[in-house]
Amino acid sequence: DVKVTQSSRYLVKRTGEKVFLECVQDMDHENMFWYRQDPGLGLRLIYFSYDVKMKEKGDIPEGYSVSREKKERFSLILESASTNQTSMYLCANGPLDEQFFGPGTRLTVL
Amino acid sequence: QQQVKQSPQSLIVQKGGISIINCAYENTAFDYFPWYQQFPGKGPALLIAIRPDVSEKKEGRFTISFNKSAKQFSLHIMDSQPGDSATYFCAANPSGSARQLTFGSGTQLTVLP
Repeated sequence: DVKVTQSSRYLVKRTGEKVFLECVQDMDHENMFWYRQDPGLGLRLIYFSYDVKMKEKGDIPEGYSVSREKKERFSLILESASTNQTSMYLCANGPLDEQFFGPGTRLTVL
Repeated sequence: QQQVKQSPQSLIVQKGGISIINCAYENTAFDYFPWYQQFPGKGPALLIAIRPDVSEKKEGRFTISFNKSAKQFSLHIMDSQPGDSATYFCAANPSGSARQLTFGSGTQLTVLP
């Protein structure tokens, strides 16, 4: 069974903290993605990567950075968390014709 | 702008009825149109997809209808069941991208028993 694992299901952080969200896949896919999901806004792409050490900005990259040191691992970093980054964060991987999503991390920034 | 506009935001259907969710796009470079289904507490999963060389694709009770001239596509769920209750997202590949998708805002479907 394919697996996309996200490091936490729920996370609570304080404003200004540095936050790391990690995603690990066991599918050997080149493409990995980070989305945030907000009610009424759907899924919005933050960053994606198509190879180790490669990254591309998505639609809403401001306030985020990413790291991909190994093919199976893609990390999302909030350098200084703010309350407007409270959201559900979803990692995905796969080719265009089928992206596989993790279960999501519900991040609350107080 | 690379957008896909989805409606309605929520939909309530009786068991056995037909659920219809609509999406519209502007960029004619889009050439791949998937629908994803998300159950509570889970990530979205691919349900069905279509390319613009066909006007309809059917998989079981799920059908995508595609109108290239109107730049619209829709998901039809026939004989809707309570187990179909989920959030549905349409999507498309911006600028004909071979890698990334842009998603609609989602439709929360509730099928009443």
